[in-house]
Order: sequence, then structure tokens, then C-alpha cells
Amino acid sequence: QKEVEQNSGPLSVPEGAIASLNCTYSDRGSQSFFWYRQYSGKSPELIMSIYSNGDKEDGRFTAQLNKASQYVSLLIRDSQPSDSATYLCAFSVGNQFYFGTGTSLTVIP
Amino acid sequence: EAGVAQSPRYKIIEKRQSVAFWCNPISGHATLYWYQQILGQGPKLLIQFQNNGVVDDSQLPKDRFSAERLKGVDSTLKIQPAKLEDSAVYLCASSLGTGRDEQYFGPGTRLTVT
Repeated sequence: QKEVEQNSGPLSVPEGAIASLNCTYSDRGSQSFFWYRQYSGKSPELIMSIYSNGDKEDGRFTAQLNKASQYVSLLIRDSQPSDSATYLCAFSVGNQFYFGTGTSLTVIP
Repeated sequence: EAGVAQSPRYKIIEKRQSVAFWCNPISGHATLYWYQQILGQGPKLLIQFQNNGVVDDSQLPKDRFSAERLKGVDSTLKIQPAKLEDSAVYLCASSLGTGRDEQYFGPGTRLTVT
């Protein structure tokens, strides 16, 4: 049984702060890792993908992958109220995809 | 570029009735996925197609759920008969290939079974 564990929420941060979202996965064979954002009542929207160890930056978002520790994180710098959403971590093994249950983030103005 | 299209957006049915959902993936995307998302949970994969072949349907309740992608483009997911616990959002996603490829989601169909 493949598992994705995300840090329990809800997470609240003040506007302008750094939000840190964490995810661990169970399968060492995992190849690809993804972060999705899901606003209430909407479908998941891809934020970032990461495939190799280290950091990947895209605007205010940084994904960090550590395959040895089976750990992937998402940092959101200069958090904005519009970042308030549920963040889903996902990984793939071969052709199969697994999602976590998500972490709810609220950015307080 | 048009995104993933789904219809209907909302559906309310009584238990034991049947329902069908339609999905049209992004043009050129070979892989199509159907997910079930229950409130407060992450999406759960029901079935994955690559072109018109099934890659994974291990979590599809085959006694009541069926899906097809006959021409390798659009797809239909059917539930017959529906149960109360089928109330969820049904999401369709597509990707160029599989595994490493990023998935893009449609708007979903919210199903309520009464």
C-alpha cells in the first residue's frame, strides 16, 4: 500500500510570512513528485513538479526533494491571502499516481 | 489551449439510480485518469487509460462502476446502481504520457446521492 503523509493542518501564517508544507512518502521507488493547490470547491491545480534531489524554485514557490529521507516540501515565500487553499502532495511510481489528503493553509491578512 | 472538459458539473440522483459522467482530455494527451474525491480527502484513482487501453483499474468498484475510452480521446464513467457513499466529486485528468508527466484536472462533477 503506497502512502503519502502530509503535515496535519490547518496551517495558518500571517501575510508576508513563509509557509512550509511537508510530505513524506512510503515507496523508495517513487520517481516523480508534484504539488497541487486546490481552492475550496475547485479542482486541483498543478503548482510544481520535481524529479531530482535538491531545490526547484518557481516564483514564490520552492519545492525541496530528499529521496534518501523520502521527503518533499513546498515553501511559499511572501504568503498572500490568495494562497489560502489546500495543498496536495502527489508522487508516482511507474505508471501509478498517489495523492496525499492535503494540508489546509490560511494566510491571515 | 483548451483544458480538460467535464460534464455535467453537478448531478443529484437517488440511490440505486444510474449516472454517467463525460470527460474530454487536453488535445494530444494520451493518458486519461478518473479520480473520486470525497470531502476532506485527497483524490483516489479509479481508473487510468493510456490511449484506449486500461493501465490501472485496481481501485475501481467493478460491480457498480464502469468506464470506457473507445477511441482513445474522450471517456465516460458510469455508476450503476449508485449508493449513498458514492457522493463525491469525480475528477478527470489527463497527461501527455504516464508516470513522470504532469496531470491536469478538469473542473469535476459533484455527485450527490440521496
